[in-house]
Amino acid sequence: GEDVEQSLFLSVREGDSSVINCTYTDSSSTYLYWYKQEPGAGLQLLTYIFSNMDMKQDQRLTVLLNKKDKHLSLRIADTQTGDSAIYFCAEVNYGGSQGNLIFGKGTKLSVKP
Amino acid sequence: NAGVTQTPKFRVLKTGQSMTLLCAQDMNHEYMYWYRQDPGMGLRLIHYSVGEGTTAKGEVPDGYNVSRLKKQNFLLGLESAAPSQTSVYFCASNPAGAYEQYFGPGTRLTVT
Repeated sequence: GEDVEQSLFLSVREGDSSVINCTYTDSSSTYLYWYKQEPGAGLQLLTYIFSNMDMKQDQRLTVLLNKKDKHLSLRIADTQTGDSAIYFCAEVNYGGSQGNLIFGKGTKLSVKP
Repeated sequence: NAGVTQTPKFRVLKTGQSMTLLCAQDMNHEYMYWYRQDPGMGLRLIHYSVGEGTTAKGEVPDGYNVSRLKKQNFLLGLESAAPSQTSVYFCASNPAGAYEQYFGPGTRLTVT
């Protein structure tokens, strides 16, 4: 079945780059998403990439998509303490009882000063 | 626009009690969802709705019921709460034809 895999934890130092990785299963997924969840809050859409793109850059965020390996990554440049949060990868679900998005379990990013 | 709102924000129930969580959205979205989030489990879909008057089961529907009598509201009911239902509950919505979901701030429920 469909599944989205992420590592659960990542720790970096302030000012370093963070790279959060995700693997997905549905090669027909048209959009892939990154959501951010700050402590005590709901999920916010951070960025997304269309499947015909290899890369998308938005200020400090770079999304890379490797369709052959079904691998998605989110790079945060110059990571700040305010970037500490849980980051969820999500792919579009075209069937089944999982709603229209399948989420990974989330990667908790800890930024140390 | 307020976006997606959830009430209440916090609640403590005793085992066997019932309650209803309310989700409201003012974006005229067709699709609405209820998730629960537990440590190490990510988000799990409980029920969802693709339009007013329709509901469908998600991944973990047992012990919950839902209703979508009005397009802007999606209610999640617990008829007889159990400690296993202690969780943070999130509501989300999206318009038809789009995939990105918009989330509410969550309801933290504790069942003792």
